[in-house]
Amino acid sequence: NAGVTQTPKFQVLKTGQSMTLQCAQDMNHNSMYWYRQDPGMGLRLIYYSASEGTTDKGEVPNGYNVSRLNKREFSLRLESAAPSQTSVYFCASRGSGRGETQYFGPGTRLLVL
Amino acid sequence: GQQVMQIPQYQHVQEGEDFTTYCNSSTTLSNIQWYKQRPGGHPVFLIQLVKSGEVKKQKRLTFQFGEAKKNSSLHITATQTTDVGTYFCAGPSRDTGFQKLVFGTGTRLLVSP
Repeated sequence: NAGVTQTPKFQVLKTGQSMTLQCAQDMNHNSMYWYRQDPGMGLRLIYYSASEGTTDKGEVPNGYNVSRLNKREFSLRLESAAPSQTSVYFCASRGSGRGETQYFGPGTRLLVL
Repeated sequence: GQQVMQIPQYQHVQEGEDFTTYCNSSTTLSNIQWYKQRPGGHPVFLIQLVKSGEVKKQKRLTFQFGEAKKNSSLHITATQTTDVGTYFCAGPSRDTGFQKLVFGTGTRLLVSP
């Protein structure tokens, strides 16, 4: 099992460029999440998907869109990148049930110039 | 909305000293989870506490869940340099049917040899 995988690992963008961050999990989890973590800060939820076909906003959704392509894959899109979106992006997944823990991917480090 | 705070934000100890981080939620939690994030890494699940007053140990780490299920603590005995990282507590959000985890602000631990 690879767990949660993310691509790319690193990316540099210019202001106004767009890109899609990819996330996939092989644990048959229903729920998937996108977080951002700024230097020295905690985790902030961008969007989540409780099940295939549903998505919901988190704390900081502005400037992002998501797609739950199927049960395995959950992508995050930046339509017009801004320097304020420079961050580390983590994808996570979770099984069913109240007590299920979250499993995180290795992260994508994004720099917007 | 539900908030989870941790203190201290940062602690620097000498190897062999003890360390404690405290987690406080604004609402009662169905369970509390603890995660560790090594520098440059991603959050990794450590443990989950469910019952009021529960205490669990993992080698030198002792986790407690408060009687009111609104606070928790993590105590490390005789820290080692491998304990370096940021420790997050997290509790399920009732607002979303427990789909989301509300993460604490984190405590960054630095251990000097």
